[in-house]
Amino acid sequence: DVKVTQSSRYLVKRTGEKVFLECVQDMDHENMFWYRQDPGLGLRLIYFSYDVKMKEKGDIPEGYSVSREKKERFSLILESASTNQTSMYLCASSLFAARAKNIQYFGAGTRLSVL
Amino acid sequence: AQSVTQLGSHVSVSEGALVLLRCNYSSSVPPYLFWYVQYPNQGLQLLLKYTTGATLVKGINGFEAEFKKSETSFHLTKPSAHMSDAAEYFCAVSDPPMNYGGATNKLIFGTGTLLAVQP
Repeated sequence: DVKVTQSSRYLVKRTGEKVFLECVQDMDHENMFWYRQDPGLGLRLIYFSYDVKMKEKGDIPEGYSVSREKKERFSLILESASTNQTSMYLCASSLFAARAKNIQYFGAGTRLSVL
Repeated sequence: AQSVTQLGSHVSVSEGALVLLRCNYSSSVPPYLFWYVQYPNQGLQLLLKYTTGATLVKGINGFEAEFKKSETSFHLTKPSAHMSDAAEYFCAVSDPPMNYGGATNKLIFGTGTLLAVQP
C-alpha cells in the first residue's frame, strides 16, 4: 500500500513563527502536492512538485513556500505564520500523470492552529 | 477552466436508504473524474474513478457512479446506507494525463458533501 506520512497531526504555533510541515511518501512517486482544506471551500492546491528541486505554484501560494530536496520528501514552509493560515493541511503524492491516471494518495493531514 | 460543483453541502439519510451525492463538472476536454471519501480525522481515500470506457464505475464499500456526458454529471450512489458511510465526500476532475513524461495534471476538487446517516 502507498503510504504518505505527515510528520505532525496537530500543531499550534504563534503569529510570526516560521513553520515547517513535512511529508514523506514511500512509493517512489514523482509528483507531490500540498493542499489546504477549509470548511465550505474544499481542497485548494498550494504548491506541487513533479521532480526533485522542481516546484510549481498552485491556486493559493501566497504566504507559503516549498522544498523538495529528495524524491520522497516534500516540505511546506510558512515563512511568517498568520492567523488566516489556521487550517487543515493535506499532502498527496502520485506517479507521473501518464502512468497514474491522475490518482493521488493522501496523508492523514496536519491541523495547524496559529494563535 | 475546469470546475466541480457538488450540490448540497450536507446530506442526511436513514440507515438502509439510498445515498445520492451529486456532482457536476465543467471541462473543455473529456475529463477524468473521481470520488474521494474523508472519514473523521483522516486523509482522503479514493472511492472510485472514471477514466475511459464503461460509464458506470463501481468503487469500494458498495458505491458506484455514472458518468453522463450529456448532463456533465458524475453522481455517487449507494443502494443502502450504513452507519459507517458517515463521512465527507469530495468529487474531483482532471484532464486526461499527458502521454509524454511531462508535468502532472492537477485535480480540481469540489467543496465536499458531508453525509450523515441516521439510525
